[in-house]
Amino acid sequence: ETGVTQTPRHLVMGMTNKKSLKCEQHLGHNAMYWYKQSAKKPLELMFVYNFKEQTENNSVPSRFSPECPNSSHLFLHLHTLQPEDSALYLCASSRGTGSNEQFFGPGTRLTVL
Amino acid sequence: TQLLEQSPQFLSIQEGENLTVYCNSSSVFSSLQWYRQEPGEGPVLLVTVVTGGEVKKLKRLTFQFGDARKDSSLHITAAQPGDTGLYLCAGASKTSGTYKYIFGTGTRLKVLA
Repeated sequence: ETGVTQTPRHLVMGMTNKKSLKCEQHLGHNAMYWYKQSAKKPLELMFVYNFKEQTENNSVPSRFSPECPNSSHLFLHLHTLQPEDSALYLCASSRGTGSNEQFFGPGTRLTVL
Repeated sequence: TQLLEQSPQFLSIQEGENLTVYCNSSSVFSSLQWYRQEPGEGPVLLVTVVTGGEVKKLKRLTFQFGDARKDSSLHITAAQPGDTGLYLCAGASKTSGTYKYIFGTGTRLKVLA
């Protein structure tokens, strides 16, 4: 397997559910990112991890909880989401946070009912 | 707030036509990337430009970085239906001693056969 993979590709959840998104990169990169992409809005950076340590939290509500157990894996734990959280959630990786070239996964299309 | 404005926002053209997409900011960027995102997928890196005035070609796509490194353009010659997608510019600029990587507002291109 190569590149950046994300699972699941699609997720429908109720506002009281708890679910997790998974991202895995096979590129040997040290930095990983979570982005939110909504219709008619630019890509929004949510979290940045470098060598497993969180280096940026872009004022994301606590109902989104990231976890980075190692440089290859990144999770986004979701609980008590709101309908306005429905979006495409994209994971990306790069050699380091100083490297501006990012490689994206295919995303998880999330619908919150 | 840093902003990367892209124009036009939407573009629908016939196969074989030429087009130019613009990416503008008031900030100076150390480098700038262009990505293309197809429906249901994550953005894919097309090119990185680093030097003011730099021109890079990728088959029918020509990318230019402004002399002052505040803007960039993407020109497509003889567009084909396979060029359809969302084009995003992105760049890193330094504010208050910190580098921030931001994505542009996007240009959605549709090429009709």
